[in-house]
Formats: sequence, structure tokens, C-alpha cells
Amino acid sequence: QKEVEQNSGPLSVPEGAIASLNCTYSDRVSQSFFWYRQYSGKSPELIMSIYSNGDKEDGRFTAQLNKASQYVSLLIRDSQPSDSATYLCAVNKGYGGSQGNLIFGKGTKLSVKP
Amino acid sequence: DAGVIQSPRHEVTEMGQEVTLRCKPISGHNSLFWYRQTMMRGLELLIYFNNNVPIDDSGMPEDRFSAKMPNASFSTLKIQPSEPRDSAVYFCASSFGGTRQTGELFFGEGSRLTVL
Repeated sequence: QKEVEQNSGPLSVPEGAIASLNCTYSDRVSQSFFWYRQYSGKSPELIMSIYSNGDKEDGRFTAQLNKASQYVSLLIRDSQPSDSATYLCAVNKGYGGSQGNLIFGKGTKLSVKP
Repeated sequence: DAGVIQSPRHEVTEMGQEVTLRCKPISGHNSLFWYRQTMMRGLELLIYFNNNVPIDDSGMPEDRFSAKMPNASFSTLKIQPSEPRDSAVYFCASSFGGTRQTGELFFGEGSRLTVL
């Protein structure tokens, strides 16, 4: 089983709709979880982080974490064409001082149609 | 403020040649990471350093790959000899470590390597 799994997509949603991106991870001791956005030909950039079970909202973005189910999701409300990108789920396997050792999923490509 | 700086941005070389990729992390960051990205395998961690010391190099594919961090502001990833299967985008990233850590990585623009 891959450590971090995502549906590769493409996920296509109309402008203004809610885009739902999902991610599962295999290592139960994982401590922190991240969503990165990567535009075509560009480098990944962090958009959300979440550490505790439940929801975390930041503007149009909501991250959801369920550690019992080993499941992380990202909701994008009022999707815009500028949200079209690949979204990478990342999991920090480290604990204690070994932070930053992120394991990435392969990403889900999102396309928002005008 | 300057972000993570990588060079070269593009490299085309022939099989068997030595390739050296360079990275300058963000000033003040004490963790540095080398990732490789391909369509097939996604973004893979090759090696990371804390305070210039290699912590985990288990992702380095084989002995043809080596990485160094001689000081806090410079790192290299070397492939010798290069093979066509090494063709990928290589990203360098840096972050705060220790008590300032947030888990956020700041990526450079990447070095696109093509080995013919």
C-alpha cells in the first residue's frame, strides 16, 4: 500500500461549485497533514495545514482530518478557474524533532470550468 | 526576500555524464530537502539535512546519487554517471527546524533534468 494515496483525477467542476479532494495515508503515527497546490510547470506551495481531528477553515478552503479513518480532505468553495492546479496531499511521518520529512501523494489534478 | 534558489533551471545531458544541481536555501532556514518529481512516481524525497547534517538519505536511488551541504547557504545534488531514467524535475526546499518548525516547506523553482 502506498503511504499517501490520492485520486489522480482529473476532477472537473464548474465555476462556483465546491471541489472535494481526498487523501488517505497508511502510517497511523503520522502527526501533521498538509495540502500543497502546484500549478503546471511551477513548484508546490502550501495552502493548508491541519494537525487535529475535525475541520479547519481558511477563506474558501476547508481541510478535514479523521485520524481514525486515516483520511484527509480539502474542500474548495466557490471554485474559480484560477484554482485549476494539481493538489498534493502531504503527511509528516516525523515525531519529536524529526519534522519536515513530508511524504507526498501523487496529487489530484483539478480543472475548474468557466 | 529571496526564496530558495536553484540552478540550473534546465539541464540536458548525455547518458554517462556528471550532473550537479545547486541550491541556496532561504536565509535562516536550517532544514533542506531534495525532492524528485516525475509523472510516474510523483514527488519523492531523496534526502534531507538539518543544520547541514544529512538526516535521512534513504530516498537516494543508488550510489550514483550524492548530496552535500558544506554550509548553511549551499547544497549540491550530484548524479554520476547519469542515466535516462534520472530525467525528472529536481526540487530543493527549505524550512525552519527545531522549535520554529511549522512543517511548511518552501520550494525552489526546480531543475528540469533531461538525460539523453
